[in-house]
Amino acid sequence: NAGVTQTPKFQVLKTGQSMTLQCAQDMNHEYMSWYRQDPGMGLRLIHYSVGAGITDQGEVPNGYNVSRSTTEDFPLRLLSAAPSQTSVYFCASSYSRTGSRYTEAFFGQGTRLTVV
Amino acid sequence: DQQVKQNSPSLSVQEGRISILNCDYTNSMFDYFLWYKKYPAEGPTFLISISSIKDKNEDGRFTVFLNKSAKHLSLHIVPSQPGDSAVYFCAASAEYTNAGKSTFGDGTTLTVKP
Repeated sequence: NAGVTQTPKFQVLKTGQSMTLQCAQDMNHEYMSWYRQDPGMGLRLIHYSVGAGITDQGEVPNGYNVSRSTTEDFPLRLLSAAPSQTSVYFCASSYSRTGSRYTEAFFGQGTRLTVV
Repeated sequence: DQQVKQNSPSLSVQEGRISILNCDYTNSMFDYFLWYKKYPAEGPTFLISISSIKDKNEDGRFTVFLNKSAKHLSLHIVPSQPGDSAVYFCAASAEYTNAGKSTFGDGTTLTVKP
């Protein structure tokens, strides 16, 4: 299993450009999420999905769009990039364990995005 | 208002000694707590967790303690090894939500000196 795969690993955008960060998982996990990590800070939840066709906003959703058409993929779209979106983005997946709601998240290696 | 706080940005310990990383939370709805470890240029990886029905969970060299009345948890690493040098994040989830929707602290950078 590859786990959670994010592409690209690095990206430089100009202000106002749009792009899609890709995330794919091969563990058949029903839950997927996107976080951003700014320097010296923890991870903040951007968007979340509990299954194909179902998404929800996290703590910092503005400027981002998501969709979940398949269990495996959860792309994150930047609609009009701004310097404030310069950050490292992590995609994660997790699952529900029979008999317990307590499970951990599996993270991708991250996408380092710079908006100039 | 930051709901999960790690008040020590960094910690340095000698190899073989104990490392104690602390975490405080404010939301009384949190009932599941996790520690993740992160190396540079990699994603966080799960280390250990504890549910609110327990006050201690142990996994090898790693032990997590939970004090619900104080809304405080700590991660103990004994003995510490140079390979433990990383950023450690405390995370918390509220009842009926999944650990993929956690609230994270800002992290503590642990340096273990040989």
